[in-house]
Amino acid sequence: EPEVTQTPSHQVTQMGQEVILRCVPISNHLYFYWYRQILGQKVEFLVSFYNNEISEKSEIFDDQFSVERPDGSNFTLKIRSTKLEDSAMYFCASSEAGRSYEQYFGPGTRLTVT
Amino acid sequence: DQQVKQNSPSLSVQEGRISILNCDYTNSMFDYFLWYKKYPAEGPTFLISISSIKDKNEDGRFTVFLNKSAKHLSLHIVPSQPGDSAVYFCAASARGSTLGRLYFGRGTQLTVWP
Repeated sequence: EPEVTQTPSHQVTQMGQEVILRCVPISNHLYFYWYRQILGQKVEFLVSFYNNEISEKSEIFDDQFSVERPDGSNFTLKIRSTKLEDSAMYFCASSEAGRSYEQYFGPGTRLTVT
Repeated sequence: DQQVKQNSPSLSVQEGRISILNCDYTNSMFDYFLWYKKYPAEGPTFLISISSIKDKNEDGRFTVFLNKSAKHLSLHIVPSQPGDSAVYFCAASARGSTLGRLYFGRGTQLTVWP
């Protein structure tokens, strides 16, 4: 069964450093998303992406964040200058055209900022 | 941001019995609701959904009920199996969200014991 994959599974970085989290969505999906879950809190929406453009972003997704689809398969989230409070599990998701609500999630990348 | 609430952090049920997980929401613009299941070290897995034009949707052992007037939905699992033990998230999406931004509850840990 097709699945969303994410790399790395765990990333440790120092405060102020840039990180890039990578995702490979399901191949025939057209809509892509990033969510995060800080330990003990709820899963929160960051951004949605379609046709090489951001469709919607939350208040969390400030200028320190960016997304890109550099080729036909990868979808990346970049955090330019990480803060301690960016430590969280980051989930990538994708969905089919016309079924945007049914989003399929990857296993997540645990980001630890020290 | 408490637009989707799951007030029970945990639920323990004997194998073979019914599990009922509850969810409340406050945003009247929500028109699509989903349940996700999450095992440790994995991403959320889509389970079942319901549109606001329906009040019930059934898929095998899983049934979701929606009470729009009470802004309440529930997930029934019958019969419950030990493999159902996981965290269950209620999620909702609003009219006007182009690609279906999801709002999640905090989750309910279901434990099904033999």
